[in-house]
Amino acid sequence: NAGVTQTPKFRILKIGQSMTLQCTQDMNHNYMYWYRQDPGMGLKLIYYSVGAGITDKGEVPNGYNVSRSTTEDFPLRLELAAPSQTSVYFCASTPGGRSSTDTQYFGPGTRLTVL
Amino acid sequence: GEDVEQSLFLSVREGDSSVINCTYTDSSSTYLYWYKQEPGAGLQLLTYIFSNMDMKQDQRLTVLLNKKDKHLSLRIADTQTGDSAIYFCAEGSTGNQFYFGTGTSLTVIP
Repeated sequence: NAGVTQTPKFRILKIGQSMTLQCTQDMNHNYMYWYRQDPGMGLKLIYYSVGAGITDKGEVPNGYNVSRSTTEDFPLRLELAAPSQTSVYFCASTPGGRSSTDTQYFGPGTRLTVL
Repeated sequence: GEDVEQSLFLSVREGDSSVINCTYTDSSSTYLYWYKQEPGAGLQLLTYIFSNMDMKQDQRLTVLLNKKDKHLSLRIADTQTGDSAIYFCAEGSTGNQFYFGTGTSLTVIP
């Protein structure tokens, strides 16, 4: 199992450009999450999904969109990149139905800089 | 969102014990977690504790939970240079969301 994979590892965008951060998991997990990590701020939840076709907003969804057409993939879309979106983005997944015992499996992260 | 707070930095000498502290606000949390993040990597689960427990030990790791004060700590015995990393506490809250602390950067001095 590869676990949770993210691409790209690094990216530099100009203000106003768009891009999609890819996330794939091969563990057949139902739940997937997108976080951003800013220095000294911990992880903030952007969006999450409880299954294919279902997504919901987290704490900081503005400026982002997601889709979940398959169980495996949960791409995060930035339509008009802004400097405030400079961050490290982590995708995570958890196994089955909602349970606080579910540990999250994290991808290696995508470091995005918007200039 | 819920507030989960940690101090940002901790330095210890190799061989000493490290204690990383965390406070949280959601009294309905069922489980509380400790994650480790090494440079350039994602988060890895170290351990978790059920909210009706007050202590859990796993090799060099001891988790203490004071539910009344909503205080969680992680003690690492005999800290090694390989323990240098950022440590996050997190709580599993209502709905499907997990709330993470700001992370504590642990530096182990040889």
